[in-house]
Amino acid sequence: EVQLLESGGGLVQPGGSLRLSCAASGFTFSTYGMNWVRQAPGKGLEWLSVIGNAYNTHTTYYAASVKGRFTISRDDSRNTLSLQMSSLRADDTALYYCVRGGNSWRTFDYWGQGILVTVSS
Amino acid sequence: QSALTQPPSASGSPGQSVTISCTGTSSDIGGYNLVSWYQQHPGKAPKLMISEVTKRPSGVPDRFSGSRSGNTASLTVSGLQAEDEADYYCSSAAGNSVVFGGGTKLTVL
Repeated sequence: EVQLLESGGGLVQPGGSLRLSCAASGFTFSTYGMNWVRQAPGKGLEWLSVIGNAYNTHTTYYAASVKGRFTISRDDSRNTLSLQMSSLRADDTALYYCVRGGNSWRTFDYWGQGILVTVSS
Repeated sequence: QSALTQPPSASGSPGQSVTISCTGTSSDIGGYNLVSWYQQHPGKAPKLMISEVTKRPSGVPDRFSGSRSGNTASLTVSGLQAEDEADYYCSSAAGNSVVFGGGTKLTVL
């Protein structure tokens, strides 16, 4: 069974940093592209970033809203995906989902339960 | 990239069919065979219902179907059931990114 378990969320002050992690199990992690998607309270979904699998040398892409502030990474030896977030703003407040890419990394076939990040003073 | 355009709400009675539209541009929906639809119940994570415009993942009822015409994709739910009441989101590849629609709240009357 595919499982994705996010951790590392919480309350952070504007301008601060936070690192999210996602522990993956139930599939061969290294062979899938992995994404982060967020959902602000009461709002829709927003794709943030992807990191490719080992076959495409872990290529990364970012949404314009987080480029330069967020960094995605992965450790295939530990089946772990990470998102380093810096220069956080109030509008980064959201539920952050770890998401597996399916046949294409742009098809999101399995989602974690999400972890809440609140940016507030 | 701008969000894809979905109607904020849709509704139908049990047993009826309802179609939700998702309008984009030639740079997203019209340019890639990578349109997906997700179902989200309150307090739950989204679930993939349709991928690559028309493909239904294993376990998704065949009451759910996807289509596309030009820059507009559609999700049709046939034989509506109470458990279909949820928010539905479309998404599309858009170059080296993904864009979502704003979501449609489907109400089963």
